[in-house]
Amino acid sequence: SQQGEEDPQALSIQEGGNATMNCSYKTSINNLQWYRQNSGRGLVHLILIRSNEREKHSGRLRVTLDTSKKSSSLLITASRAADTASYFCATTGTYKYIFGTGTRLKVLA
Amino acid sequence: DTGVSQDPRHKITKRGQNVTFRCDPISEHNRLYWYRQTLGQGPEFLTYFQNEAQLEKSRLLSDRFSAERPKGSFSTLEIQRTEQGDSAMYLCASSLLDSSYNEQFFGPGTRLTVL
Repeated sequence: SQQGEEDPQALSIQEGGNATMNCSYKTSINNLQWYRQNSGRGLVHLILIRSNEREKHSGRLRVTLDTSKKSSSLLITASRAADTASYFCATTGTYKYIFGTGTRLKVLA
Repeated sequence: DTGVSQDPRHKITKRGQNVTFRCDPISEHNRLYWYRQTLGQGPEFLTYFQNEAQLEKSRLLSDRFSAERPKGSFSTLEIQRTEQGDSAMYLCASSLLDSSYNEQFFGPGTRLTVL
């Protein structure tokens, strides 16, 4: 069963705009990761945020983590058409990952 | 290429046939995981190995499914008497036991279509 829920389920933005997607989870975690998946392809790791971190940046990506609310957000700035994909959060305790349901992002040229 | 590899990338089979998938993890990784992803959903955990020992199996893994990792290196996932509901992407991942944050590296997946 999937622990996380992502919001929104689908998002369309204009190229150059910012896209924000949120992830909520249910139990305590060791870390939280965000992945991108292009249609029918494998998962590409974007960024990992540890349970003792609150914010992390990587290029055009900004991730926040609020363990008290059991939620995380992923912000993609200056979106490009190539960012069109599904985005998943994954939480982990000691071994297995539990994925959210994903946000389908479409960046319009 | 030192990433996780999976073979085949695509498999089309008829209902009732058996299929076997292979995963080669990153060479020094001692943990190996299998996940299943159906259309429009996130991946779901199936099972994992630490070296050659299978330590957990999800209830999603019916008795038609069997996974092995005989020498603690590559792993196989076999599905017997396939059903249309088995159609999905099967993802393999590996990680290092000593990694504090259990960062898992995913392969490209095997897409199974059962006709």
